[in-house]
Amino acid sequence: GIQVEQSPPDLILQEGANSTLRCNFSDSVNNLQWFHQNPWGQLINLFYIPSGTKQNGRLSATTVATERYSLLYISSSQTTDSGVYFCAVPGVGGTSYGKLTFGQGTILTVHP
Amino acid sequence: DGGITQSPKYLFRKEGQNVTLSCEQNLNHDAMYWYRQDPGQGLRLIYYSQIVNDFQKGDIAEGYSVSREKKESFPLTVTSAQKNPTAFYLCASSPLYTGELFFGEGSRLTVL
Repeated sequence: GIQVEQSPPDLILQEGANSTLRCNFSDSVNNLQWFHQNPWGQLINLFYIPSGTKQNGRLSATTVATERYSLLYISSSQTTDSGVYFCAVPGVGGTSYGKLTFGQGTILTVHP
Repeated sequence: DGGITQSPKYLFRKEGQNVTLSCEQNLNHDAMYWYRQDPGQGLRLIYYSQIVNDFQKGDIAEGYSVSREKKESFPLTVTSAQKNPTAFYLCASSPLYTGELFFGEGSRLTVL
């Protein structure tokens, strides 16, 4: 099946710093999502980004499907950004809508 | 408000007992999914359903069962055959044509 690798596994920042999280995947995909898991466990949709660049406030994401990676940028980080960030892509063959394979996540801690 | 409701949020069960987790969505999504998350891990797909009265096994279906009698509902039963049932269970839904996943708040099951 498709492999998804996220880096770095852990990231510690001071409030106000910027960061870049990376997601590499092993096969062609037509769907990629970024999620934030808050301390209570809920998964919040950040981006649905099969290709190109999207921005939402202090967060933006870029997916380069031909090179099989996606980047999540967090600017001017806040303590509320803390949590685990997951990327996920379709599983079998990379084209199975909704049946996502998740990376292991990046644990982000933002200190005041 | 549109969304996905999971219940109960916390559940304790004795070994040998079956337990059913509820998942209801009012987003009018065709597809629904159950994922399992273990501490420090990503999510793994248990079962999914793309249409009423039909469902398919995911990567870790052994010891679980589901039903899809209504579009809005996709309950998961954790049976006594599941060897390591203590975990965080997340239900999700998506439109069939995009596969963009939206998650409920999760149910935390502990086997005593």
